[in-house]
Amino acid sequence: AQKITQTQPGMFVQEKEAVTLDCTYDTSDPSYGLFWYKQPSSGEMIFLIYQGSYDQQNATEGRYSLNFQKARKSANLVISASQLGDSAMYFCAMREQNSWGKLQFGAGTQVVVTP
Amino acid sequence: EADIYQTPRYLVIGTGKKITLECSQTMGHDKMYWYQQDPGMELHLIHYSYGVNSTEKGDLSSESTVSRIRTEHFPLTLESARPSHTSQYLCASSESNSMNTEAFFGQGTRLTVV
Repeated sequence: AQKITQTQPGMFVQEKEAVTLDCTYDTSDPSYGLFWYKQPSSGEMIFLIYQGSYDQQNATEGRYSLNFQKARKSANLVISASQLGDSAMYFCAMREQNSWGKLQFGAGTQVVVTP
Repeated sequence: EADIYQTPRYLVIGTGKKITLECSQTMGHDKMYWYQQDPGMELHLIHYSYGVNSTEKGDLSSESTVSRIRTEHFPLTLESARPSHTSQYLCASSESNSMNTEAFFGQGTRLTVV
């Protein structure tokens, strides 16, 4: 069964606007971690932000913030003040405590930032 | 900056050839992973390793094999390449027993089998 669901295959956003990328997850582990990665067209995976299941506050890293709603099992990524260089594929991923470090990925959301 | 390297970046090879995709990391990570990704699609785990002499198959069945003779090296081999193996292969590593540390990825190998 799919454990990470990203329902938005693609999004357009104007430069300087904020964009929210949706991610819902499914796990019965009480301890887990949620990650967001960016994949530009060059193919490498760039780590953006992490949220632990026991973290009380939403994670933030510069222009990236995570809207973590544990009861709804959602971990949406917010990119503020979008830049042209933000155009990329964005993946949500989860690591469960009993998974020996393995990351499970969603299908990704393609973001295109327009001038 | 991540110290994990994959070679080659791009490979075009004929059907039936044997190929080895190289992956090395200098961070001393015990855990290493191979993911397969078709263009614009999600990543699927095909192999992982907890440490030297440990290898396991991932969630997606793959005809490839891996070995882990040294901590820093985790090569992936296809004995007889087929067009269905055309894909991007991403190698990653992470620290042991750390829930909150990210996996570091190499730049990937884009394999085309003709």
